[in-house]
Amino acid sequence: AQTVTQSQPEMSVQEAETVTLSCTYDTSESDYYLFWYKQPPSRQMILVIRQEAYKQQNATENRFSVNFQKAAKSFSLKISDSQLGDAAMYFCAYREDLNSGGYQKVTFGTGTKLQVIP
Amino acid sequence: EPEVTQTPSHQVTQMGQEVILRCVPISNHLYFYWYRQILGQKVEFLVSFYNNEISEKSEIFDDQFSVERPDGSNFTLKIRSTKLEDSAMYFCASSEGTGLSEKLFFGSGTQLSVL
Repeated sequence: AQTVTQSQPEMSVQEAETVTLSCTYDTSESDYYLFWYKQPPSRQMILVIRQEAYKQQNATENRFSVNFQKAAKSFSLKISDSQLGDAAMYFCAYREDLNSGGYQKVTFGTGTKLQVIP
Repeated sequence: EPEVTQTPSHQVTQMGQEVILRCVPISNHLYFYWYRQILGQKVEFLVSFYNNEISEKSEIFDDQFSVERPDGSNFTLKIRSTKLEDSAMYFCASSEGTGLSEKLFFGSGTQLSVL
């Protein structure tokens, strides 16, 4: 079974600084998707960024970027120029390839709570 | 951007009672899901639903749980006899397809408290 591990329960960053959230995963599949979801206090799940495993190029979305190391099964999220609105719980997540029989069955990590200090 | 809508936002019930959590997926989506998140824990997959039947379910989704799409727009999760450990945030989600590039849209969740 696939597992997703986030070893940092809490992180803090100064406003305008950069922070990196760590994530590792375990799978025997070669094709899959990785995601970072943001969960603000409202508890809505918001997709931040996603990465296809077959792509070597790291995904970027404005201030958010990932460092995807497939061999190491590592998928970290970098937030640049942190803003107060970035404060939230961040979940790393994995989704297997359709051909493996999984619909949108996403496996989540336990989350990292990010605090942004003004 | 289109939204998945869930009602109610909070539900309080007594242990042993039946509850129905309601969701309105995005209108052109064909695949529907329920996830749950016990407070302080990770989000867990419960069930996926397509073409009026369950396509996949987790071990959490036992005989006490059922899903239904009663009228072509709503998607419901029923818990027949609630237990204390059913207290959690329940998220509905939908997607247009199942391809690897398909985006999964989550609702805002229903917080279920079983007393």
